[in-house]
Amino acid sequence: DTGVSQDPRHKITKRGQNVTFRCDPISEHNRLYWYRQTLGQGPEFLTYFQNEAQLEKSRLLSDRFSAERPKGSFSTLEIQRTEQGDSAMYLCASSSQNEQFFGPGTRLTVL
Amino acid sequence: KQEVTQIPAALSVPEGENLVLNCSFTDSAIYNLQWFRQDPGKGLTSLLLIQSSQREQTSGRLNASLDKSSGRSTLYIAASQPGDSATYLCAVCNTGKLIFGQGTTLQVKP
Repeated sequence: DTGVSQDPRHKITKRGQNVTFRCDPISEHNRLYWYRQTLGQGPEFLTYFQNEAQLEKSRLLSDRFSAERPKGSFSTLEIQRTEQGDSAMYLCASSSQNEQFFGPGTRLTVL
Repeated sequence: KQEVTQIPAALSVPEGENLVLNCSFTDSAIYNLQWFRQDPGKGLTSLLLIQSSQREQTSGRLNASLDKSSGRSTLYIAASQPGDSATYLCAVCNTGKLIFGQGTTLQVKP
């Protein structure tokens, strides 16, 4: 499978715990994006990378959130001290030029 | 601030009907527009990409149009099938990131 992959697919955690998600983009894509989607809403942009450089961060990305893309390959999104409001689907996408291709998402449930 | 609106929020049609989904955006300075399909609990599947210089794109039974000046796009689905049941999302590309509408949930009844 040469599409975008995300791991884990589901994560249940207790409030206050830290969680980390991983995204592997399509191999030749230099841009990688993170979005968050809550039930019944369209995805909302969080941040994006061109190669290893983080070019833009949304105001939604509070100090508890951090994203990295070492060596311009896979990316990780970490949420520290999770809150119930962090419960959502976290989507990763990649692109080489214009069209963005999405992974299956990681569904986070914070109890 | 760019805002994207999709109408209707939900749509139920009998199998075989042709249908149109609408998307409007407030800032015409877009780079491109993408239509996606999302099945429940799944990720997004890209259906069509329209560059800002283009007026329409076609893929099989799908046709998407773009009118930048009026801030509108439509997704036309011909001869709908039960397998087309899903949520359809439009998104405009602005400075690299996508800004999404809330989606139209389509149900095609056999």
